[in-house]
Amino acid sequence: DIQMTQSPASLSASLGETVTIECLASEDIYSNLAWYQQKPGKSPQLLIYYANSLNDGVPSRFSGSGSGTQYSLKINSLQSEDVSIYFCQQNYDSPWTFGGGTKLELK
Amino acid sequence: EVKLLESGGGLVQPGGSLRLSCAASGFTFTDFYMSWIRQPPGKAPEWLGVIRNKANGYTTEYNPSVKGRFTISRDNTQNILYLQMNTLRAKDTAIYYCAIPAPGDWFAYWGQGTLVTVSS
Repeated sequence: DIQMTQSPASLSASLGETVTIECLASEDIYSNLAWYQQKPGKSPQLLIYYANSLNDGVPSRFSGSGSGTQYSLKINSLQSEDVSIYFCQQNYDSPWTFGGGTKLELK
Repeated sequence: EVKLLESGGGLVQPGGSLRLSCAASGFTFTDFYMSWIRQPPGKAPEWLGVIRNKANGYTTEYNPSVKGRFTISRDNTQNILYLQMNTLRAKDTAIYYCAIPAPGDWFAYWGQGTLVTVSS
C-alpha cells in the first residue's frame, strides 16, 4: 500500500495568516492526490483533486501544489471557518489511502 | 441534489455481524460506482472497497485489510448500497460512510455516516 504522511499533525495560526500543510507519499503518485476538509462531527468534504484542481464551491484562498511524492495545501488569509482537520488521499493505486490528518486551530 | 443516508450502525459484540445500508437519491444509481469508507474515532479515513456500475458489471474490489470479512452489494431497484460485515473485531469500531468515487477515485460525495461500535 502507498503510505501518506502528513505534516504537521497539528497547527495553530492567526486569522489572516497563510498556512501550508504537507503530504508525502511513499512513492510517486503522479499528482493523483486529493485534499479534504473535515469539521467536527461532519463527513470529509473534497477541496482539491489532481493535486491542484479546486472543487466546485471551494473558496479560492485554498490551493494545492506538488508533484512526485511531495504535495502541499495552502490556505491564504485564514478565516475562522477554516478551523478543521485536513486529510490528503492518494488515488494513484488501490487501495486508496489517506494521510493521518492535520488539525488546524486558531491562535 | 445527491443524497446518501447510511443506517444500520450500533453496538455489536466481538465476532458478531452487522449489515449497513446506504440509501441513495438525486442521481442515476446504476451509472455510478459506490464505495464504503470508515473512520475510527480521532483517526484517518480508510477506504474499504468499491462496487462498480452497471457498465462495469457491478464488480467489486476490496481493501486487503477487510477482504474476506466484508462484502459490498447493491440493490439497483431500490437504490441502496450495502456493507455486510462479519467476524467483527474491536478495531472495526468506526464511523462508516458511503461515498461516490469520481472517475479519478477521489470522493466528492459522502453520507453523514453511521457509527459501529464493537465491544462486549
